[in-house]
Parts: sequence; structure tokens; C-alpha cells
Amino acid sequence: AQSVAQPEDQVNVAEGNPLTVKCTYSVSGNPYLFWYVQYPNRGLQFLLKYITGDNLVKGSYGFEAEFNKSQTSFHLKKPSALVSDSALYFCAVREPGTYKYIFGTGTRLKVLA
Amino acid sequence: SQTIHQWPATLVQPVGSPLSLECTVEGTSNPNLYWYRQAAGRGLQLLFYSVGIGQISSEVPQNLSASRPQDRQFILSSKKLLLSDSGFYLCALRTVILSNEQFFGPGTRLTVL
Repeated sequence: AQSVAQPEDQVNVAEGNPLTVKCTYSVSGNPYLFWYVQYPNRGLQFLLKYITGDNLVKGSYGFEAEFNKSQTSFHLKKPSALVSDSALYFCAVREPGTYKYIFGTGTRLKVLA
Repeated sequence: SQTIHQWPATLVQPVGSPLSLECTVEGTSNPNLYWYRQAAGRGLQLLFYSVGIGQISSEVPQNLSASRPQDRQFILSSKKLLLSDSGFYLCALRTVILSNEQFFGPGTRLTVL
């Protein structure tokens, strides 16, 4: 079965430090991978995606993610965290050949001033 | 650009009462539409998706149902609410223009008492 795992419930990082939010996936075929961010009581906002091509993808607000096929991972990164980056982050995968998306359980990022 | 409207924004209903949540979209045609439920501010559970008028795929057997009477309208319903139906309900769309990522509405917070 297709699945997405976000192993950390919460990540704490000091402002100005680099941040990483982890995501691993399990799908058959070539995955379409996504990161979304959610602020309190709001809908999800799209950050970035990997479909094909360069393994390092850049997205909104200075975020980037690296697709690693051998490790089946798609970790979200940012070189220098901001307090305003504090939010809930979701990794998602689209099942190849379908219209369905599977979401991870989310990782709460807290950036400390 | 596309816009998703969801109403109401918040709703408090007694157990056993009926439910109707509406999602309408603007700025796009023939989108794929989705209903998700988010419990306790964490993971998203796909409830239904639709690739066209009158076409509904159900992902989780439960006391909820969905309908798509028009291209840009997606309705989530229940005849009798359960306590476990409480949560944050999100409508999302995917279009050819967006290619692969989804765009989310603002959500409806439902509390069943």
C-alpha cells in the first residue's frame, strides 16, 4: 500500500539556523511528491513539488526539498529559519496513475527567537 | 486564479442531526474535487473525490456522503452526525493548469456535541 511517513511530530529550531523536516514514502512506480504548510485554522498552502528532473527542487518562502530515490525520502529544508516559518508541515504523495493524494501525519515546526 | 469557497466557516451540531457542507470553486473548469477531514489539527484523511459531475469516489466507509451536482460545486452530507465526525473539513481542487498539486479551501470546523 502507498504511504507517507513523517517521523517527527515536532521540530524545534532556533531562528537563523537551518531546518530540516523529514519525509519518507512508499509507492509503486515513480512518485509525485509535495510539501504543504498549514497555519492555524487555515487551509493548506502548496510549497513545492517533485515530479521529475533535478532532485533538488526549490519552492516558496525559501524552502527547498531533495528527492532521494534510493532512500525513498523527500526532506524539506531551509538554510535559515524564521519565526514566521512556525506552522504545521505536510508531506504528500500522489499515487501514480490515480487522482488520489496520500498525506503524512504532519510535523509541527517551531522556530524559536 | 482559482478560488475555493467553503461555508459555513464554523458549525456546532448535536449528535444525530443532519449535515450539509458546501464547497464551490471559481476561476477554473472541470476540476478534480476532494473532501478531506483533519482531526485534532493533524493528519488529513481523504473522504471523497470527484473527477466530474455526478462522479464520486468514496475512500472511507462511514455515515458521510458526497455529491457533485454542478461542475464547480461539491457537497458533503450526513443524515445523522456522530461525535467522531467532529473535525476540520477541507475542500481541495486539482486542475490541469495546476498540473499536479492541489489547492485548498479555507476549511469548515465542525463540532458535534
